[in-house]
Order: sequence, then C-alpha cells, then structure tokens
Amino acid sequence: NAGVTQTPKFQVLKTGQSMTLQCAQDMNHNSMYWYRQDPGMGLRLIYYSASEGTTDKGEVPNGYNVSRLNKREFSLRLESAAPSQTSVYFCASITRWGWTEAFFGQGTRLTVV
Amino acid sequence: AQTVTQSQPEMSVQEAETVTLSCTYDTSENNYYLFWYKQPPSRQMILVIRQEAYKQQNATENRFSVNFQKAAKSFSLKISDSQLGDTAMYFCAFMKHEDYGQNFVFGPGTRLSVLP
Repeated sequence: NAGVTQTPKFQVLKTGQSMTLQCAQDMNHNSMYWYRQDPGMGLRLIYYSASEGTTDKGEVPNGYNVSRLNKREFSLRLESAAPSQTSVYFCASITRWGWTEAFFGQGTRLTVV
Repeated sequence: AQTVTQSQPEMSVQEAETVTLSCTYDTSENNYYLFWYKQPPSRQMILVIRQEAYKQQNATENRFSVNFQKAAKSFSLKISDSQLGDTAMYFCAFMKHEDYGQNFVFGPGTRLSVLP
C-alpha cells in the first residue's frame, strides 16, 4: 500500500548515543514533517521540509537535526540522546493539491535511558 | 501563531450512545482546514474527518459529524452509535491553507473510552 514508511518502530538508547529515524513516502508529496508526541501535549512539530532541499525548525528543534535526502525521504537524527527525548516520533507527509490531508507513519517509540 | 485546545482530557460513553468531543482554536486566518484524527492503541494516526473553513456545511463521514462554528472558532466532533472500536485518542488539528510551514497544529487530545 502507498503511504509513509517509518523505521524503526521501537528503539532504546543510552544517554549520549546517536541514532537516525528514517521516513519515506511514495505519494510524491512535497511537504514532510517530524513530530514528537508526549502525554497531554498532543503532537509538537520538530522540523519540517516544505520541499526537496529545504528544511526549517518547528516548535521543539533543540537536540535534533534533519535531512531531506530527496523528495521521498526525510530523516531525523538525534546526535546525543537525552532522557528528555524519550517520546513517540511521527513522520508525516502532506498533499495540498486538490485535497489537503496529512498521512502519518506508524510512529517510533524511543526510550532513552 | 495558531493554537488548538481540547478541554476534555478524557471521556467515556456507553456503546451505542452518542458522544461529542470539543475543540476550539485560535487563528486570525480566514482560509484553513480543520481535522479530527483518531489514534487507537496501535498508535497509527487515522483521519476521521476534515472541514474546509470556507464551507459552511458541516462535514459528515458515516457515524462521525462535526459542528463547525467559524465565528466561535469551535470544531466539535460527534460520534453517533458509538462502537468499542472507537476507543482511542482523538486529536483536533488546524492547518493553514496553502502554507508549507509550521501551521499544522494539534490539540493535546481527548482519550475516549467506549464502554460495553
């Protein structure tokens, strides 16, 4: 099925370790987003990419970096993980031509110990 | 900046009954979209219903309908004939029209439990 593929689904890191969350969409969308979900706070935007080659900070970018590798792929990197980054992470892509809707990956549950 | 508020952190409803989830938002924009997303225990974000602000008619999708009050900046979700499978977190979200940036904002969510 077409959609947003996000890997891994679960990850446990030690404080100070690094990792990259991968996201790919096959719907030819221009806009891609990374969110984190914490209890009682909904989804908060970390970074977004309006189009291939561009990235911008969202509400909570500290401690993260992103790469828009091509139109399909948008990765999120934690250079030195901290316990405060324990969260569920979602990648999303958005279509805005004729019908506006956001499509989400299945999420990554990250625990930093 | 836009904000979305969901004032009911948790709600419960008996199976087959009707429940309404509240959402209010703050914006100075005139053209935008509003969404309700469902997140079951599987964690997947599922679009329930969407509303375009320029349309006065309230959106409906089977058992799901909205009450969109643009002047009051209110966007409530009504679930009729509630089913056990409706148990989930529900998020209200705002998206500015033709904006490719930060203006896709979510509320904190309402946890709905459908009781047998």
